[in-house]
This record gives sequence, structure tokens and C-alpha cells, in this order.
Amino acid sequence: QKEVEQDPGPLSVPEGAIVSLNCTYSNSAFQYFMWYRQYSRKGPELLMYTYSSGNKEDGRFTAQVDKSSKYISLFIRDSQPSDSATYLCAMRKLGNEKLTFGTGTRLTIIP
Amino acid sequence: DTAVSQTPKYLVTQMGNDKSIKCEQNLGHDTMYWYKQDSKKFLKIMFSYNNKELIINETVPNRFSPKSPDKAHLNLHINSLELGDSAVYFCASSPSTGRGQPQHFGDGTRLSIL
Repeated sequence: QKEVEQDPGPLSVPEGAIVSLNCTYSNSAFQYFMWYRQYSRKGPELLMYTYSSGNKEDGRFTAQVDKSSKYISLFIRDSQPSDSATYLCAMRKLGNEKLTFGTGTRLTIIP
Repeated sequence: DTAVSQTPKYLVTQMGNDKSIKCEQNLGHDTMYWYKQDSKKFLKIMFSYNNKELIINETVPNRFSPKSPDKAHLNLHINSLELGDSAVYFCASSPSTGRGQPQHFGDGTRLSIL
């Protein structure tokens, strides 16, 4: 079993819909949680970064962390075609630089 | 200005050859990384350097040797290339260690072994 599990999709939703992307993890030592967006033939781009449990909002994006359930989510409101990409969750332990990634969810927003 | 830049972007070569990939960051970061992304998009860390010192060395074949001439550069040399080395290799950097700083990625080097 992988340390971080992420539904690979693909996920297709109509423009304007709310998108929910999720990851589960098995290691309770993870403290920092990130969401990256990766366009085709580009590097991962940091979208959201949270420490421990709670919510964080940035524009149309909201990241949620529930450490008791070992579950993190990324919500995208008013989705746009430009949001079409692969979304990768990533996490790391306190004092450890190693990032552990999920396998990524491929998202397509249909105009 | 590109923050984390890698060269070359594409590398096509024969099995058994030796090749190098270069990475430079102009963000003033102390820590740099190499990741491998396989055909299923799974990203896995290979190495990390902090101020030219190796701090992460995952279970990578010793045909892969990173070199950091200074904290703005981290190169990856691969000896005796094998078919399974075909992947996208990403370089990343972060401000410092031990503070949970997020990592910033380059656009990758696509390595294809014939």
C-alpha cells in the first residue's frame, strides 16, 4: 500500500462546477500538506500549502486537512477550462525535507 | 526570469550511454532536489542537497550521481543508461531545511532511452 493514495481519475466536469479532489494517507507523522497543479509538459506548480489540520482559502481554491481521518481535499469553485491539469497532493513530515506525492488526478473542465 | 531551469529539456540517447542533466535556480534557495516522474505521473524523490551537502539519498542505483558545485546548481549524471531510466526528471528547490518550506519545480527533462 502506498503512503499516499489519490484517485487518478480522469475526472471531467462542466465549466462552473465545483471540483473536489482528495487524498488519503497512512502515516500520521505527515504535518505539511500541499497541492500542486501540473500542466502537460510542465513542472508541478505549487497551489496550496497548509500546516496540520484546518482550512485554507486562496481565491477559488480551498484546501482542507483532516488529520484525524488522514484525509486532505482541494476544492475548486467556479471551475474554468484553464483549471484542466493534473493535480498532485504532496505531504512531508516535520523536520524532513522529503516530499511524498500522490499519483495525481487528471482533471478536465469542459467548456 | 525562470526560477528553476533545467537543461536539456529533451534527451534521447542509446542504452549504455552516460549523460548529464543540469539544474540552476535563481531564487536564492539553500536546498535543491531531483525527482523522477514515471509514465504514470508518479513523482518520487531521488536526492536532495542543502548548501552543497547531500541530505537525502533515496534507494537510487549508484549509476545516478548528483553533484552540487554551489547552492544554486544541482546536476545529475547518469552512467550506463538503461531502458527503465526513461522518465521525466524534475529539479526543485526550497528556501531552507527544517521549516517545511514548499518546493518549487523546474519544467523537467524528458529522457528517452532507445
